[in-house]
Amino acid sequence: KNQVEQSPQSLIILEGKNCTLQCNYTVSPFSNLRWYKQDTGRGPVSLTIMTFSENTKSNGRYTATLDADTKQSSLHITASQLSDSASYICVVSAFIGGRRALTFGSGTRLQVQP
Amino acid sequence: GAVVSQHPSRVICKSGTSVKIECRSLDFQATTMFWYRQFPKQSLMLMATSNEGSKATYEQGVEKDKFLINHASLTLSTLTVTSAHPEDSSFYICSASLLTGGLTNEKLFFGSGTQLSVL
Repeated sequence: KNQVEQSPQSLIILEGKNCTLQCNYTVSPFSNLRWYKQDTGRGPVSLTIMTFSENTKSNGRYTATLDADTKQSSLHITASQLSDSASYICVVSAFIGGRRALTFGSGTRLQVQP
Repeated sequence: GAVVSQHPSRVICKSGTSVKIECRSLDFQATTMFWYRQFPKQSLMLMATSNEGSKATYEQGVEKDKFLINHASLTLSTLTVTSAHPEDSSFYICSASLLTGGLTNEKLFFGSGTQLSVL
């Protein structure tokens, strides 16, 4: 069964600190992995999308890594800001029987405190 | 970046009525759109895949007669919750697919969501 597991479930950090969120998946065959940021009551916004051959990708203070061998990804947030408080969702895409299949992680709820 | 507009953002309705939610891709054409449901503090659950000009593909356990999806143009998909009941109260989100160089590089842009409350 295709699964995406994220950890931690929730995280509280002080403004200015760094943090790393984890995503482990068992989705196969793998197509790409995406990280989204979702503010409460809003739709997700894309942070990064990584294919099999990519190991790292940055988007401002967000840096995602991917290890396709161990099926792990991480999202590192540098110098956190209050506006980083949100849920971060890992989504893995596969193509099964010619059909696109997206598997969503349950998300990590990040709270940045002043 | 590409913009997906979802309307309304919030709707309150009486039990037994139908509610229509619109999802528009404003600056690109989307042959495929997706509809999701999200309960508080949970991740998105894919309900159905909406393909322009053809019938939607529903995920297992989603009633197609309950959640009617129409994708009449390349920029508009609608989700109608028919005969809504309190258990249908949820946050509904759409996303539109933008293909730039194959499915591997497919980008998904999400609407801002619709909070449905059925009394």
